Amino acid sequence: GENVEQHPSTLSVQEGDSAVIKCTYSDSASNYFPWYKQELGKRPQLIIDIRSNVGEKKDQRIAVTLNKTAKHFSLHITETQPEDSAVYFCAASNTGKLIFGQGTTLQVKP
Amino acid sequence: EAQVTQNPRYLITVTGKKLTVTCSQNMNHEYMSWYRQDPGLGLRQIYYSMNVEVTDKGDVPEGYKVSRKEKRNFPLILESPSPNQTSLYFCASSFFGEDTQYFGPGTRLTVL
Repeated sequence: GENVEQHPSTLSVQEGDSAVIKCTYSDSASNYFPWYKQELGKRPQLIIDIRSNVGEKKDQRIAVTLNKTAKHFSLHITETQPEDSAVYFCAASNTGKLIFGQGTTLQVKP
Repeated sequence: EAQVTQNPRYLITVTGKKLTVTCSQNMNHEYMSWYRQDPGLGLRQIYYSMNVEVTDKGDVPEGYKVSRKEKRNFPLILESPSPNQTSLYFCASSFFGEDTQYFGPGTRLTVL
């Protein structure tokens, strides 16, 4: 079955720096790759997603890249702010079955 | 207000006592799903449903049942709960599988 590996498990950056979180997936049939942000005590919320026919997608300070050949996708956050501190999850989906990575705890230090 | 609701939000029960966690959405979504969240393991999909009367196993379906008799509701049933089912449970819905999923507020379940 599908397996999604996410790294690093924790990431600490200074405010204003960039943060990169990487995920690899095993099922080449996966075609949808969302990223969710979960603040402490709250529900996960989608921040950006990408489909297998697209290599890169940007939304203000957030971008996601997808390398289908390597089965690898990454989340890039630029100009990080303290409110970006949260747990971030990547996921890979194929026909409704969604497999999440283990999560990355991002701490942005003021 | 568009939302996904779950009940109860908190539940403490004992081993073997059947329980149901309800999930309801008012967005006319076709797709609904259940996840459990455990420290260090992230979110793991239990069951999902692409439409009424259509359900499929996720990554960790053992010990759980679901039903989808109506579009808006997707209850999670634990016929004989065990302590290893102590977890934080989230229900989610979307228009289709590969689309933005909207999560409910979560249900924290403790099985003693």
